[in-house]
Amino acid sequence: AQSVTQLDSHVSVSEGTPVLLRCNYSSSYSPSLFWYVQHPNKGLQLLLKYTSAATLVKGINGFEAEFKKSETSFHLTKPSAHMSDAAEYFCVVSDLESWGKLQFGAGTQVVVTP
Amino acid sequence: EAQVTQNPRYLITVTGKKLTVTCSQNMNHEYMSWYRQDPGLGLRQIYYSMNVEVTDKGDVPEGYKVSRKEKRNFPLILESPSPNQTSLYFCASSFPVGGRTDTQYFGPGTRLTVL
Repeated sequence: AQSVTQLDSHVSVSEGTPVLLRCNYSSSYSPSLFWYVQHPNKGLQLLLKYTSAATLVKGINGFEAEFKKSETSFHLTKPSAHMSDAAEYFCVVSDLESWGKLQFGAGTQVVVTP
Repeated sequence: EAQVTQNPRYLITVTGKKLTVTCSQNMNHEYMSWYRQDPGLGLRQIYYSMNVEVTDKGDVPEGYKVSRKEKRNFPLILESPSPNQTSLYFCASSFPVGGRTDTQYFGPGTRLTVL
């Protein structure tokens, strides 16, 4: 069975400062991990994914995440926040045992202040 | 344009009145899935389908039905809706890659209110 925990429900950052969104996962088998972003009143869009290749994954809009198996974490970072980064972010896990089933985290709301 | 479409986008209905939310994708994806989004709970998977005539339960299947008679369509059926099914619903589709889930493409969402 798999599960995912997003450690912060809300994160507030100033424009130009780093962003860190934390995600811990639990998976019995080799996991696939994803970060999706949802802007207000929009659908979800993939930011980046880890599927057993390089552990440091780069995504769109300057985001990146590092898969750390020993810590069961997949934290999302961006060196410099932009106003357009204000959105809700979801960490998602699936694994080989039941690859069709996906578990979403509860989401992290990001607020960017000028 | 590659896309996932859902209809209707907004629906207000009454308890017990059967309804269907349609989902269609034009990317020839094998995998399709339905989710509901509720505040503070993220997205929860209702049903998914790995291919035509193959469907399976997600985490919250109670009160819902699905069918996958053709590759492009994956309708969600609420045979007797109740107020606790008031939610925002998303359909998504994907190609599996190497036997694994890969990028999902989401529809725009259907906001359902059951009175």
